[in-house]
Amino acid sequence: DVKVTQSSRYLVKRTGEKVFLECVQDMDHENMFWYRQDPGLGLRLIYFSYDVKMKEKGDIPEGYSVSREKKERFSLILESASTNQTSMYLCASSLWWGSGRYEQYFGPGTRLTVT
Amino acid sequence: SQQGEEDPQALSIQEGENATMNCSYKTSINNLQWYRQNSGRGLVHLILIRSNEREKHSGRLRVTLDTSKKSSSLLITASRAADTASYFCATDAGIYNQGGKLIFGQGTELSVKP
Repeated sequence: DVKVTQSSRYLVKRTGEKVFLECVQDMDHENMFWYRQDPGLGLRLIYFSYDVKMKEKGDIPEGYSVSREKKERFSLILESASTNQTSMYLCASSLWWGSGRYEQYFGPGTRLTVT
Repeated sequence: SQQGEEDPQALSIQEGENATMNCSYKTSINNLQWYRQNSGRGLVHLILIRSNEREKHSGRLRVTLDTSKKSSSLLITASRAADTASYFCATDAGIYNQGGKLIFGQGTELSVKP
C-alpha cells in the first residue's frame, strides 16, 4: 500500500515564524502536491511538483514556497506565518501522467494554527 | 479555481437507505474521480471513471458520467453508519496534465444515522 506521511498532525506557531511542513511518500511517485483545506472552500492547490527540483504554482501560492530535493520528500514552507494561514494542510502523491494511473494518495493532514 | 460543484452540500439519511451525490464541472476532462474523507483525516480514492465510460461499479458504489451535461453522480447503496464522511469529486485539468493536477469540488457531507 502507498503510504504518505506528514511530519505533524497538529502544529501551533506564532505569527512571523518560519514553518516547515514535511511530506514523505514511499511508492516512488513522480508527482507530489500540497493543498490547504478550509471550511466552505474545499481543497485548494498550493504547489505541486512532477519531478525532483521541479515545482509549479497552484491556485494559491502566495505566502508559501516548496522544496523537492529528493523524489520521496516534498516540503511546504511558510516564510513568515500569518493568522490567515491557519488551516488543514494535506499532502498527496501520484504516479506520472503517462502511467495511466491518476489517483492521488493523501497523507493524514497537518492542522496548523497560527496565533 | 473550483471546477467541480457538488450537490447537495449535506445529506442525512438512515442506515440502509441509498445516498446519491452529484457533481458538475465546467471544462472537458479525461477522467473524473471520487474521494472520501473521514472527519479530520486525509482523502481516500474511491473510484475513477474515464471520459469514454458512462457507468462504473465498485462494491456498493456506482458512478455515472454524462459528458454532454458535464456531470457525474455517486450512488452508495445500502448505506452504513461507517459511510459517514465527506465525499469529493475531482477532475483532471484537461488534455495535457503533466503534473497530474486535479481540481476538487467542495464536497458533500454525508451523515448516515444508525
